[in-house]
Amino acid sequence: NAGVTQTPKFQVLKTGQSMTLQCAQDMNHEYMSWYRQDPGMGLRLIHYSVGAGITDQGEVPNGYNVSRSTTEDFPLRLLSAAPSQTSVYFCASSTVGRELFFGEGSRLTVL
Amino acid sequence: KQEVTQIPAALSVPEGENLVLNCSFTDSAIYNLQWFRQDPGKGLTSLLLIQSSQREQTSGRLNASLDKSSGRSTLYIAASQPGDSATYLCAVEGIQGAQKLVFGQGTRLTINP
Repeated sequence: NAGVTQTPKFQVLKTGQSMTLQCAQDMNHEYMSWYRQDPGMGLRLIHYSVGAGITDQGEVPNGYNVSRSTTEDFPLRLLSAAPSQTSVYFCASSTVGRELFFGEGSRLTVL
Repeated sequence: KQEVTQIPAALSVPEGENLVLNCSFTDSAIYNLQWFRQDPGKGLTSLLLIQSSQREQTSGRLNASLDKSSGRSTLYIAASQPGDSATYLCAVEGIQGAQKLVFGQGTRLTINP
């Protein structure tokens, strides 16, 4: 049982490049979400999904896109990377009313 | 807007002590509150989840309490061990649900042998 799997673990981008952070869960959870963690800011919600085909914005959605075509996968797309998007990104999943399961994180540096 | 605060930001205690970590939130209209543990360079692990209708939850040496009316939660760790050293975060989910959590900035705990 792998839980929540994020790839890649580390990535360096140049300003203006695009990329996709992958997230997959094998627990058949309805809810999936993306957070970013920054020093002094804590974890902040970027986007979330309550089921396949349903996504919505969190607290800091600008510059990011998501889609949820299957229950298992919830990729996060950076359209045109900016230095302000340098952060550690965490994907999480859960079922209704239960605890969140987090991935190990993806460390992104934008130069 | 919900705000979650954890004080202190860092805490260092000798092994064997009982300790309490604090979490406060500004909006009492919550669905639940969770306590997480984060080790350096790792993801978060859920420790305890307290539903809004509950007053406390226990798991092993951990006990979490919730006072919704005062906007406070505490995490009690009994007989602390060096392996308990980590950052502890609390997070609240608003009544709209959908697992939209608002996190505190965490308390970095060090247990000295």
